[in-house]
Amino acid sequence: DAKTTQPNSMESNEEEPVHLPCNHSTISGTDYIHWYRQLPSQGPEYVIHGLTSNVNNRMASLAIAEDRKSSTLILHRATLRDAAVYYCIRSQGGSEKLVFGKGMKLTVNP
Amino acid sequence: DADVTQTPRNRITKTGKRIMLECSQTKGHDRMYWYRQDPGLGLRLIYYSFDVKDINKGEISDGYSVSRQAQAKFSLSLESAIPNQTALYFCATSDHRDTTQETQYFGPGTRLLVL
Repeated sequence: DAKTTQPNSMESNEEEPVHLPCNHSTISGTDYIHWYRQLPSQGPEYVIHGLTSNVNNRMASLAIAEDRKSSTLILHRATLRDAAVYYCIRSQGGSEKLVFGKGMKLTVNP
Repeated sequence: DADVTQTPRNRITKTGKRIMLECSQTKGHDRMYWYRQDPGLGLRLIYYSFDVKDINKGEISDGYSVSRQAQAKFSLSLESAIPNQTALYFCATSDHRDTTQETQYFGPGTRLLVL
């Protein structure tokens, strides 16, 4: 049970921002929100994670709702290389608790 | 050079055969994991190890065994392979000292076909 809900797929256009939503309505106070992505024919790679505050790194931004029941991964300028399956994961602490659901396939159109 | 390597990258075997998938890492991480991925599905945890002397079952350990030969090496064995073990297998590592909720680093995967 991944305990997060994502759309099955989304499309975006190259060089435009894209917002990937995730619902985690049963999240507890100590759960972190992680995002990983899996490029075609590769293993998953870490994107970003957060607890309560919005987070930014070189790959993306993570916007967490004030009630923490949802979050949004923001790719500020999508590139073709961003086409991947994106996984939104909540973990209760400890890396072994990462549960990968089916994820969401992002298609980036040229 | 890749930090997490898996061998072989592809393997075809027959039902009933014993096979071993190997994972090595140069990241100096203490924790290692084995996952399988079936088409259209997410990853499911098979086994994980927090240290050389520590082995833990994951969500789907039946039919698999593991060995942590050294901190840098973690192997997955299928004692008697069956067709429904056909899948993509990933090894991952993490560092318990990463206090910001341990990022996992994945290998490139091993594609296994059991005939």
